[in-house]
Amino acid sequence: EVQLVESGGGLVKPGGSLRLSCAASGFTFSYYTMNWVRQAPGKGLEWVSSISSSGTSKYFADSLKGRFTISRDNTKNSLYLQMNNLRAEDTAVYFCASATNSWYYFDFWGQGTLVTVSS
Amino acid sequence: EIVLTQSPGTLSLSPGERATLSCRASQSVSSSNYLAWYQQKPGQAPRLLIYGASSRATGIPDRFSGSGSGTDFTLTISRLEPEDFAVYYCQQYGSSPLMYTFGQGTKLEIK
Repeated sequence: EVQLVESGGGLVKPGGSLRLSCAASGFTFSYYTMNWVRQAPGKGLEWVSSISSSGTSKYFADSLKGRFTISRDNTKNSLYLQMNNLRAEDTAVYFCASATNSWYYFDFWGQGTLVTVSS
Repeated sequence: EIVLTQSPGTLSLSPGERATLSCRASQSVSSSNYLAWYQQKPGQAPRLLIYGASSRATGIPDRFSGSGSGTDFTLTISRLEPEDFAVYYCQQYGSSPLMYTFGQGTKLEIK
């Protein structure tokens, strides 16, 4: 059974940093593209970032303007999102999602971790 | 960048009725393979329903079906069950540059 478990969310002040983690199990993590998607309170889904299976290719939403970094450790079956210079508009639930069948869609999702940016 | 517009914003129906949800793209989606649908219930993660515009994901009941191409896509639920009342999102994949965009969602509520 595929499991994705996010952690690392919490309350952070504007301008602060946070590192999210996603622990994966139930599939061969190193084979597949991984992704982060976020959802602001009461709002829709927004793609944040994707990373290729090897970690060499990384993609980000334009709105992030270089503040976020994605990485993975295939020896630990883990995905990470480093978020810097956080703003109030980054407040959201951050979901980790896999793309095991195709680059084109997200087939498994974690339950999410809440990031709140507030002074 | 392709913008996805879902309609209606809210759909009020009764169990047993048929639901038709629309997703319209601002420009043609270059391949139907690039269009997916998700269901999200309150407090839960999204769940993949349909990929490639019309293929059901594993474990999805056959009352869910997807269709469309180009700029117009549809999710149909043939006979609503109580557990189908949720928010539904369409999503498209773009390759140059790589990006994913979601529609704003359609809330399917019990009438």
